[in-house]
Amino acid sequence: DIQLTQSPSSLSVSVGDRVTITCRASQTVYTYLNWYQQKPGKAPRLLMYATSNLQSGVPSRFSGSGSGTDFTLTISSLQPEDFATYFCQQSQSGFTFGGGTKVE
Amino acid sequence: QVQLQESGPGLVKPSETLSLNCTVSGVSISSGGYYWSWLRQYPGKGPEWIGYIYYTGTTYYSPSLQSRVTISVDTSRNDFSLRVTSVTAADTAVYYCARDQGSGYLTWFDPWGQGILVTVSS
Repeated sequence: DIQLTQSPSSLSVSVGDRVTITCRASQTVYTYLNWYQQKPGKAPRLLMYATSNLQSGVPSRFSGSGSGTDFTLTISSLQPEDFATYFCQQSQSGFTFGGGTKVE
Repeated sequence: QVQLQESGPGLVKPSETLSLNCTVSGVSISSGGYYWSWLRQYPGKGPEWIGYIYYTGTTYYSPSLQSRVTISVDTSRNDFSLRVTSVTAADTAVYYCARDQGSGYLTWFDPWGQGILVTVSS
């Protein structure tokens, strides 16, 4: 199984901050890496697919980059509605998710 | 707008079978083009994929769960179901259904149902 390790597991930030979340895969997933946002009591919401493609309706302050084993989700200027937990997910071999990064 | 809705018992006794249903609206499962998945999530953890089904009945399960899991589809009702046998406390989780999108190796899950908490307890 491909393991996904996210860092940090949590971070304290303020509105307007630039936020960077990292996802590292235990072996290459090429660009088969997606990102989700989850708020308490809600289902995950797709933000980004295939590393850097913004899902329809997702604000352009979100961006993604990377390939192989190292990936990054960036929020250019954090807004109040962005406080949530973020997960990465790979589909190169089966489907696995990272442990999450809580932005608080 | 595609929407999914899970339903089923919120409490299951140990050693019994967990059964959930996912009703799909906004798209016909039988139109093809998508796989339909079940996932679960423990508190504070990332989701875990359980398995998927195509409208033809083709299934694929997570190797860690395949001995206890069955996913079926009912195209006449436009829904699909999950059964997990011989449940233990370790199966207590929020269960989600979702639509698979993508092609080839690239797969993402969108949209998701709202989720249903299933507790295994006597």
